[in-house]
Amino acid sequence: GQSLEQPSEVTAVEGAIVQINCTYQTSGFYGLSWYQQHDGGAPTFLSYNALDGLEETGRFSSFLSRSDSYGYLLLQELQMKDSASYFCAVSLDYNQGGKLIFGQGTELSVKP
Amino acid sequence: DTGVSQNPRHKITKRGQNVTFRCDPISEHNRLYWYRQTLGQGPEFLTYFQNEAQLEKSRLLSDRFSAERPKGSFSTLEIQRTEQGDSAMYLCASSLETASYYGYTFGSGTRLTVV
Repeated sequence: GQSLEQPSEVTAVEGAIVQINCTYQTSGFYGLSWYQQHDGGAPTFLSYNALDGLEETGRFSSFLSRSDSYGYLLLQELQMKDSASYFCAVSLDYNQGGKLIFGQGTELSVKP
Repeated sequence: DTGVSQNPRHKITKRGQNVTFRCDPISEHNRLYWYRQTLGQGPEFLTYFQNEAQLEKSRLLSDRFSAERPKGSFSTLEIQRTEQGDSAMYLCASSLETASYYGYTFGSGTRLTVV
Protein backbone atom coordinates (compact mmCIF):
# COMPACT_ATOMS: atom_id res chain seq x y z
CA GLY A 1 0.00 0.00 0.00
CA GLN A 2 0.87 3.66 -0.10
CA SER A 3 1.10 5.71 3.07
CA LEU A 4 2.55 9.01 4.18
CA GLU A 5 2.83 10.34 7.70
CA GLN A 6 3.20 13.92 8.79
CA PRO A 7 2.29 15.73 12.03
CA SER A 8 -1.30 16.90 12.17
CA GLU A 9 -0.51 20.35 13.49
CA VAL A 10 2.40 22.65 14.30
CA THR A 11 2.42 26.03 16.02
CA ALA A 12 5.19 28.62 15.76
CA VAL A 13 5.70 32.35 16.22
CA GLU A 14 6.27 34.98 13.59
CA GLY A 15 9.89 35.19 12.50
CA ALA A 16 10.73 31.70 13.69
CA ILE A 17 11.78 28.61 11.72
CA VAL A 18 9.60 25.51 11.53
CA GLN A 19 10.24 22.07 10.10
CA ILE A 20 7.44 19.76 8.93
CA ASN A 21 8.50 16.13 8.59
CA CYS A 22 7.12 13.52 6.26
CA THR A 23 7.81 9.80 6.12
CA TYR A 24 6.46 7.65 3.35
CA GLN A 25 6.00 4.08 2.32
CA THR A 26 5.13 3.70 -1.34
CA SER A 27 5.90 1.64 -4.40
CA GLY A 28 7.05 3.33 -7.59
CA PHE A 29 8.46 6.41 -5.83
CA TYR A 30 9.67 9.13 -8.15
CA GLY A 31 9.88 12.21 -5.97
CA LEU A 32 8.46 14.13 -3.03
CA SER A 33 6.46 17.33 -3.42
CA TRP A 34 5.10 19.86 -0.98
CA TYR A 35 1.88 21.82 -1.35
CA GLN A 36 0.39 24.67 0.64
CA GLN A 37 -3.35 25.08 1.03
CA HIS A 38 -5.14 27.96 2.68
CA ASP A 39 -8.67 27.44 3.98
CA GLY A 40 -11.05 27.06 1.05
CA GLY A 41 -8.27 27.47 -1.47
CA ALA A 42 -6.47 25.35 -4.03
CA PRO A 43 -3.36 23.39 -3.12
CA THR A 44 -0.38 25.37 -4.38
CA PHE A 45 2.88 23.72 -5.38
CA LEU A 46 5.82 24.74 -3.19
CA SER A 47 8.77 22.44 -3.79
CA TYR A 48 9.90 19.15 -5.25
CA ASN A 49 12.78 16.74 -4.56
CA ALA A 50 13.67 13.84 -6.80
CA LEU A 51 17.21 13.40 -5.49
CA ASP A 52 18.62 13.33 -1.99
CA GLY A 53 19.48 16.68 -0.56
CA LEU A 54 18.16 20.14 0.01
CA GLU A 55 16.23 22.33 -2.44
CA GLU A 56 15.86 25.99 -1.55
CA THR A 57 13.21 28.33 -2.85
CA GLY A 58 13.21 31.63 -1.07
CA ARG A 59 12.06 31.20 2.53
CA PHE A 60 11.10 27.58 1.87
CA SER A 61 13.49 24.63 1.65
CA SER A 62 12.73 20.96 1.19
CA PHE A 63 14.89 17.96 1.96
CA LEU A 64 14.76 14.35 0.85
CA SER A 65 16.50 11.19 1.96
CA ARG A 66 15.41 8.34 -0.30
CA SER A 67 17.25 5.72 1.77
CA ASP A 68 15.28 6.77 4.87
CA SER A 69 12.00 7.38 3.00
CA TYR A 70 11.94 10.74 4.73
CA GLY A 71 11.66 14.36 3.81
CA TYR A 72 10.92 17.68 5.41
CA LEU A 73 9.79 21.17 4.56
CA LEU A 74 11.58 24.02 6.28
CA LEU A 75 9.93 27.39 6.53
CA GLN A 76 12.08 30.31 7.63
CA GLU A 77 11.20 33.83 8.77
CA LEU A 78 7.64 32.77 9.37
CA GLN A 79 4.92 35.25 8.49
CA MET A 80 1.28 35.28 9.53
CA LYS A 81 0.29 34.50 5.94
CA ASP A 82 2.13 31.17 6.21
CA SER A 83 -0.69 29.88 8.41
CA ALA A 84 -2.12 27.13 6.21
CA SER A 85 -2.15 23.38 5.71
CA TYR A 86 0.97 21.81 4.24
CA PHE A 87 0.88 18.50 2.42
CA CYS A 88 3.68 16.23 1.42
CA ALA A 89 2.94 14.17 -1.67
CA VAL A 90 4.75 11.31 -3.33
CA SER A 91 5.01 11.46 -7.11
CA LEU A 92 4.57 7.99 -8.54
CA ASP A 93 6.54 6.88 -11.55
CA TYR A 94 5.62 7.12 -15.21
CA ASN A 95 3.98 3.70 -15.26
CA GLN A 96 1.58 4.97 -12.59
CA GLY A 97 0.73 8.13 -14.46
CA GLY A 98 2.86 10.45 -12.41
CA LYS A 99 -0.02 10.81 -10.02
CA LEU A 100 0.39 12.17 -6.52
CA ILE A 101 -0.35 10.41 -3.25
CA PHE A 102 -0.89 13.00 -0.51
CA GLY A 103 -0.34 12.88 3.22
CA GLN A 104 -3.10 14.00 5.54
CA GLY A 105 -1.61 17.44 5.94
CA THR A 106 -0.03 19.51 8.69
CA GLU A 107 -1.91 22.56 9.89
CA LEU A 108 0.56 25.32 10.64
CA SER A 109 -0.53 28.14 12.93
CA VAL A 110 1.73 31.17 13.07
CA LYS A 111 1.24 33.32 16.17
CA PRO A 112 2.28 36.95 16.54
CA ASP B 1 -4.35 31.71 -19.60
CA THR B 2 -5.19 32.26 -15.97
CA GLY B 3 -4.77 28.75 -14.65
CA VAL B 4 -7.11 25.84 -13.98
CA SER B 5 -10.75 26.85 -13.77
CA GLN B 6 -13.47 24.83 -12.06
CA ASN B 7 -17.19 25.40 -12.10
CA PRO B 8 -19.30 25.65 -10.11
CA ARG B 9 -17.40 26.66 -6.97
CA HIS B 10 -20.15 25.35 -4.73
CA LYS B 11 -22.96 22.90 -5.31
CA ILE B 12 -25.68 21.86 -2.89
CA THR B 13 -27.81 18.98 -4.02
CA LYS B 14 -30.36 16.62 -2.59
CA ARG B 15 -29.46 12.99 -2.09
CA GLY B 16 -30.26 10.98 -5.18
CA GLN B 17 -29.77 13.82 -7.64
CA ASN B 18 -27.14 13.87 -10.36
CA VAL B 19 -24.45 16.55 -10.48
CA THR B 20 -21.83 17.50 -13.04
CA PHE B 21 -18.68 19.52 -12.51
CA ARG B 22 -16.50 21.10 -15.15
CA CYS B 23 -12.75 21.67 -15.25
CA ASP B 24 -10.90 23.81 -17.78
CA PRO B 25 -7.17 23.05 -17.56
CA ILE B 26 -4.27 25.18 -18.65
CA SER B 27 -4.52 25.01 -22.41
CA GLU B 28 -1.17 23.43 -23.22
CA HIS B 29 -1.39 20.80 -20.46
CA ASN B 30 -2.13 17.36 -21.81
CA ARG B 31 -2.62 15.66 -18.44
CA LEU B 32 -5.69 16.29 -16.32
CA TYR B 33 -6.33 14.83 -12.88
CA TRP B 34 -9.35 14.68 -10.61
CA TYR B 35 -8.92 14.47 -6.85
CA ARG B 36 -11.36 14.45 -3.95
CA GLN B 37 -10.64 16.08 -0.61
CA THR B 38 -12.65 15.75 2.58
CA LEU B 39 -12.25 17.98 5.62
CA GLY B 40 -8.95 17.53 7.38
CA GLN B 41 -7.60 15.11 4.80
CA GLY B 42 -5.24 15.31 1.88
CA PRO B 43 -6.51 15.10 -1.69
CA GLU B 44 -7.22 11.55 -2.90
CA PHE B 45 -6.65 10.53 -6.49
CA LEU B 46 -9.77 9.69 -8.49
CA THR B 47 -8.80 9.52 -12.16
CA TYR B 48 -6.59 11.04 -14.81
CA PHE B 49 -6.54 11.73 -18.53
CA GLN B 50 -3.78 12.06 -21.02
CA ASN B 51 -5.30 14.11 -23.80
CA GLU B 52 -8.75 12.56 -24.29
CA ALA B 53 -7.85 9.11 -22.99
CA GLN B 54 -8.82 8.18 -19.45
CA LEU B 55 -5.82 6.13 -18.36
CA GLU B 56 -6.61 5.22 -14.78
CA LYS B 57 -9.50 5.20 -12.35
CA SER B 58 -9.14 4.79 -8.62
CA ARG B 59 -11.15 2.22 -6.71
CA LEU B 60 -12.68 5.26 -5.00
CA LEU B 61 -14.47 5.98 -8.25
CA SER B 62 -17.60 3.88 -7.99
CA ASP B 63 -19.91 3.12 -10.89
CA ARG B 64 -21.89 6.24 -10.01
CA PHE B 65 -18.95 8.40 -11.05
CA SER B 66 -17.99 9.08 -14.63
CA ALA B 67 -15.46 11.45 -16.11
CA GLU B 68 -14.87 12.58 -19.65
CA ARG B 69 -12.44 14.78 -21.49
CA PRO B 70 -13.75 15.19 -25.02
CA LYS B 71 -11.17 16.40 -27.51
CA GLY B 72 -8.56 16.55 -24.78
CA SER B 73 -9.63 19.98 -23.59
CA PHE B 74 -12.05 20.55 -20.69
CA SER B 75 -13.21 17.69 -18.51
CA THR B 76 -16.45 16.87 -16.72
CA LEU B 77 -17.00 14.75 -13.65
CA GLU B 78 -20.53 13.45 -13.15
CA ILE B 79 -21.88 11.84 -10.01
CA GLN B 80 -25.16 10.00 -10.36
CA ARG B 81 -27.57 9.29 -7.51
CA THR B 82 -25.53 11.33 -5.06
CA GLU B 83 -25.08 10.11 -1.49
CA GLN B 84 -24.18 12.06 1.62
CA GLY B 85 -20.78 10.42 1.59
CA ASP B 86 -20.06 12.17 -1.71
CA SER B 87 -19.89 15.52 0.10
CA ALA B 88 -16.36 16.76 -0.44
CA MET B 89 -14.20 19.18 -2.38
CA TYR B 90 -13.55 17.95 -5.91
CA LEU B 91 -10.25 19.23 -7.23
CA CYS B 92 -9.01 19.27 -10.78
CA ALA B 93 -5.36 19.66 -11.70
CA SER B 94 -3.42 19.75 -14.92
CA SER B 95 0.18 19.37 -15.99
CA LEU B 96 2.38 18.65 -18.94
CA GLU B 97 3.07 14.95 -19.24
CA THR B 98 6.79 15.59 -18.98
CA ALA B 99 6.38 17.76 -15.91
CA SER B 100 3.76 15.88 -13.96
CA TYR B 101 6.34 14.76 -11.44
CA TYR B 102 7.32 18.31 -10.64
CA GLY B 103 3.98 19.63 -9.68
CA TYR B 104 0.48 20.16 -10.80
CA THR B 105 -1.56 23.32 -11.08
CA PHE B 106 -4.75 22.81 -9.13
CA GLY B 107 -8.03 24.57 -9.62
CA SER B 108 -9.89 26.07 -6.68
CA GLY B 109 -12.23 23.10 -6.56
CA THR B 110 -15.94 22.47 -6.47
CA ARG B 111 -17.34 22.00 -3.00
CA LEU B 112 -20.23 19.53 -3.08
CA THR B 113 -22.71 19.27 -0.25
CA VAL B 114 -25.29 16.50 -0.42
CA VAL B 115 -28.26 17.05 1.88
